[in-house]
Amino acid sequence: DGGITQSPKYLFRKEGQNVTLSCEQNLNHDAMYWYRQDPGQGLRLIYYSQIVNDFQKGDIAEGYSVSREKKESFPLTVTSAQKNPTAFYLCASQGARPGKNIQYFGAGTRLSVL
Amino acid sequence: SQQGEEDPQALSIQEGENATMNCSYKTSINNLQWYRQNSGRGLVHLILIRSNEREKHSGRLRVTLDTSKKSSSLLITASRAADTASYFCGPLTSYGKLTFGQGTILTVHP
Repeated sequence: DGGITQSPKYLFRKEGQNVTLSCEQNLNHDAMYWYRQDPGQGLRLIYYSQIVNDFQKGDIAEGYSVSREKKESFPLTVTSAQKNPTAFYLCASQGARPGKNIQYFGAGTRLSVL
Repeated sequence: SQQGEEDPQALSIQEGENATMNCSYKTSINNLQWYRQNSGRGLVHLILIRSNEREKHSGRLRVTLDTSKKSSSLLITASRAADTASYFCGPLTSYGKLTFGQGTILTVHP
């Protein structure tokens, strides 16, 4: 899992509650990403950030929010507006080497609804 | 979307056999990457092939790329039970964005 740390590993959300997933990296990467993975499915991009204090919506941003106040950190908040939050959430970071752009992933957070 | 589409969805083989997975994508790419995911874990980068390359090797892995057909294949030779995992291709767009398909679930029986 390289230098990407996601916490917690398991998270439970009650109805109407906002929860925040943590993602920290020590790889000095500028870009960071959040993906959602449903059982037996591929990864869908929620949000990404290519530089501090800037982030962009991905393909399924509704019901989620992010911040990027520090280069090392890119937390994801699953809001109460996300009606089907149960999934496996993956955070990744990416360096800027020309022609490379390899992503390094954390171990994931599994979110369930109580 | 630029999503990579892997084929087959599932592949079951015996240890020692070769495993071939295919990937198709829709538009121009800078490079194409293959990743592996063990159950319940994050993805791990395996190999990258640039748009001007046709074939690349890394250990037991061989990747080919045909940009005219917008397709790639990943060959794992002499497979082992430890190769059991899901494999994803990630076409990289000119905007630096990777998109992944549903993956191929590979099961290698001892």
